[in-house]
This record gives sequence, C-alpha cells and structure tokens, in this order.
Amino acid sequence: GDSVTQMEGPVTLSEEAFLTINCTYTATGYPSLFWYVQYPGEGLQLLLKATKADDKGSNKGFEATYRKETTSFHLEKGSVQVSDSAVYFCALSFQPGGTSYGKLTFGQGTILTVHP
Amino acid sequence: ETGVTQSPTHLIKTRGQQVTLRCSSQSGHNTVSWYQQALGQGPQFIFQYYREEENGRGNFPPRFSGLQFPNYSSELNVNALELDDSALYLCASSLDSRGRREQFFGPGTRLTVL
Repeated sequence: GDSVTQMEGPVTLSEEAFLTINCTYTATGYPSLFWYVQYPGEGLQLLLKATKADDKGSNKGFEATYRKETTSFHLEKGSVQVSDSAVYFCALSFQPGGTSYGKLTFGQGTILTVHP
Repeated sequence: ETGVTQSPTHLIKTRGQQVTLRCSSQSGHNTVSWYQQALGQGPQFIFQYYREEENGRGNFPPRFSGLQFPNYSSELNVNALELDDSALYLCASSLDSRGRREQFFGPGTRLTVL
C-alpha cells in the first residue's frame, strides 16, 4: 500500500539555522505531495504542496521539491525561527480521477524545536 | 468565516463503552473526513462522508461508524471501546470529495480509554 516515511525526530535547532526534514514515499502512481504543520493545541494546517514531478511548493520561507526519481519531498528552510517550533507531517494523496477520494496518507511526523 | 470545530475537546471513557464525537465543517464544505492520530504517530484515515453518504473507508473495523447531516456536520461513533482507541481524533472538511481542494482540519478531540 501507499506509505510515507519521514526522518526520525525530534529535531532541535538554534534560531537562524538551516532546516531539512526528509520525506520519502511509496505509491502506485503519481500522488500529490503535501507538508502539514501542527502547532500545539491546534489542528493540522497545510504548509505547502506539489502536484507533479519537479514542482516546487513554497510558503512562509519553507520549500519542498517533488522528486519522482528519488520518490522524495524534503522540507527545507534557510533560517528557522522560534515560532517554527511545531510538528511537521509529510503526506500524499492521489490526483483527481483516482479512487482515493482525497484520502491523505501521512508520515509519522517530525517534532521541530527551535531555541533562541 | 468559521473554521472546522470539534466537540468535545477531551473525553475519558472506559473499555467497552461507546463514544460519539462531533464535527462542524467549514461553511459550504460538503465533505468531511475523519482521522485517528495515535500518540507520536501521523493521522490515519478512518472514513469520509460526502453529501450524507460514506464515500470511502480506511482500515478500521465496523465498530467505527459515522454520520453526516444535511448541514454537512458529522459524527464519529465508536462502539466497544478498546484501550488502543485512545488517540486524537481529527476531522477535516473540504469543498470536494476527490482531493482537488484543500482539507481544513479541526483542533481534534482527545479520547482516553481506561
């Protein structure tokens, strides 16, 4: 079945450090890929997405590129802030016309803590 | 515009009991999906409702059931609770059942089964 694997966490960084959170996927077909963020006590929020190979999603300084050849969608940010501390989830879903009815398949999540 | 809301926020039940969780979708959204997030894990898809009918189901037993009402709000019912049902239950609403529109998540209901 479809699955998403994220790098082991938690990740602890100092403010202004460079962030990479690795994400790889296994899927039959060509899914859309997402990064969601979960702040303490809140629901999941969509951070960015990419719907086809070589697409780059970006938002709030975060970026991720859909790499079909390596089945990866790594999240990066050049300079993290304390306010970026949260849990980050990589997820996939299939394109319209498939049978997945928009179901999201999530990775296990990566806890990011940024210290001043 | 009101976002997705869920009630209650927290709930404690004992093994064997039944529970009902509620979700109010974002205004105009006709699709609601439910996810179970165990501690330290990513959310897992339970099922989706579109226009009051179940529109897809994940790998969960029949004791997990749901409803969607004409105003598109939804309930998740779990019978014969087990300890492993302890989790954060998330609902997400969308304008579309086929994944073409963003799913907006509520804050979740934390269920503890003792």
